[in-house]
Amino acid sequence: TQLLEQSPQFLSIQEGENLTVYCNSSSVFSSLQWYRQEPGEGPVLLVTVVTGGEVKKLKRLTFQFGDARKDSSLHITAAQPGDTGLYLCAGALWSGGSNYKLTFGKGTLLTVNP
Amino acid sequence: DAGVIQSPRHEVTEMGQEVTLRCKPISGHNSLFWYRQTMMRGLELLIYFNNNVPIDDSGMPEDRFSAKMPNASFSTLKIQPSEPRDSAVYFCASRTHSNQPQHFGDGTRLSIL
Repeated sequence: TQLLEQSPQFLSIQEGENLTVYCNSSSVFSSLQWYRQEPGEGPVLLVTVVTGGEVKKLKRLTFQFGDARKDSSLHITAAQPGDTGLYLCAGALWSGGSNYKLTFGKGTLLTVNP
Repeated sequence: DAGVIQSPRHEVTEMGQEVTLRCKPISGHNSLFWYRQTMMRGLELLIYFNNNVPIDDSGMPEDRFSAKMPNASFSTLKIQPSEPRDSAVYFCASRTHSNQPQHFGDGTRLSIL
């Protein structure tokens, strides 16, 4: 059973279009992170959201954390071919003491065609 | 600054052989994580260390898997004996404190024939 469900799993769009990727769970997270991964490389952190209802913007990317801290969305405006990659969400769960570990969704593979 | 360094980048071996994956975390980082990524299961945490001590190994799939961190600058993940279902990309990541981001290496692509 996947703790974090991402949708859609695959997304292919044309340059200039808008898109939204969703990350859902029945668990409450202390924070949620979004990563982008390119072929042959490790994931790279884009943003961390901590507070329920929080919205963060990174250029054309808008990230939102759900009010109950169980879900999140990533919206990309006017997608560019350079946005192509695997987008992963990861929720932080307490694992004892002052330790937190991340649980990842399976990712959304985005292809932006020129 | 050098990022997390993993070796080898690719490994192809026959089932039954011992496989050792290596990781050098970023200097000054005191937490180290081993992950496995497959199409079917995504990115899964196998084990993580704080200050060279294993904190949570609940993700280690079987006794065939073992991980060590003999010092702050080196960790290994060993599979013995290896099986075809162990084929995956294995990532190492490190971070400074629990509220800081993890930095990932570029992974080791492991193929067990």
